[in-house]
Amino acid sequence: QKEVEQNSGPLSVPEGAIASLNCTYSDRGSQSFFWYRQYSGKSPELIMFIYSNGDKEDGRFTAQLNKASQYVSLLIRDSQPSDSATYLCAVNFSGNTPLVFGKGTRLSVIA
Amino acid sequence: DAEITQSPRHKITETGRQVTLACHQTWNHNNMFWYRQDLGHGLRLIHYSYGVQDTNKGEVSDGYSVSRSNTEDLPLTLESAASSQTSVYFCASSETRLDGYTFGSGTRLTVV
Repeated sequence: QKEVEQNSGPLSVPEGAIASLNCTYSDRGSQSFFWYRQYSGKSPELIMFIYSNGDKEDGRFTAQLNKASQYVSLLIRDSQPSDSATYLCAVNFSGNTPLVFGKGTRLSVIA
Repeated sequence: DAEITQSPRHKITETGRQVTLACHQTWNHNNMFWYRQDLGHGLRLIHYSYGVQDTNKGEVSDGYSVSRSNTEDLPLTLESAASSQTSVYFCASSETRLDGYTFGSGTRLTVV
């Protein structure tokens, strides 16, 4: 069973703080990992992807991958109220099967 | 600009009716997907296609069908709508099987 687990939240952080979002997955052979942001009533928007162990930075966002621990995280630095959304983790378990999504973590950034 | 569009944005239908949701992309992507999103369940895969004439079932395919006659379109048909199919439906596409997906704006379907 291919599963992606996320805490549902809500995760509340003050404006300017670092928000840390976590995701675990069930298959050590998984190949690619994605973070989507979804505002209420809108469609998911791809914000980060990572394929290799380690960190990947893009602006205020850092994705971290540890394949041995089957763990991927998203850090949002200098959090802004506009970052308030649900963040979905998605995993490509193999090249031939579609992405499996976690249920998402709701983030609330308090001004 | 390339895009992926879904229609209609909102639909109300009666139990037992056949309903088709449209998805059209101009990215020239071979891979297209249909997901439904419900509170407490997240995004669940209904059907997907890796090219023209290719269709595959996802984890919640019962009561749904798709066909892929060209690269641009993957319509989703509910054969006989049921109240349990009230949901938000998202279509997505990708260039390769390892890429992230681009999502359409979604269709909110209510079955009464």
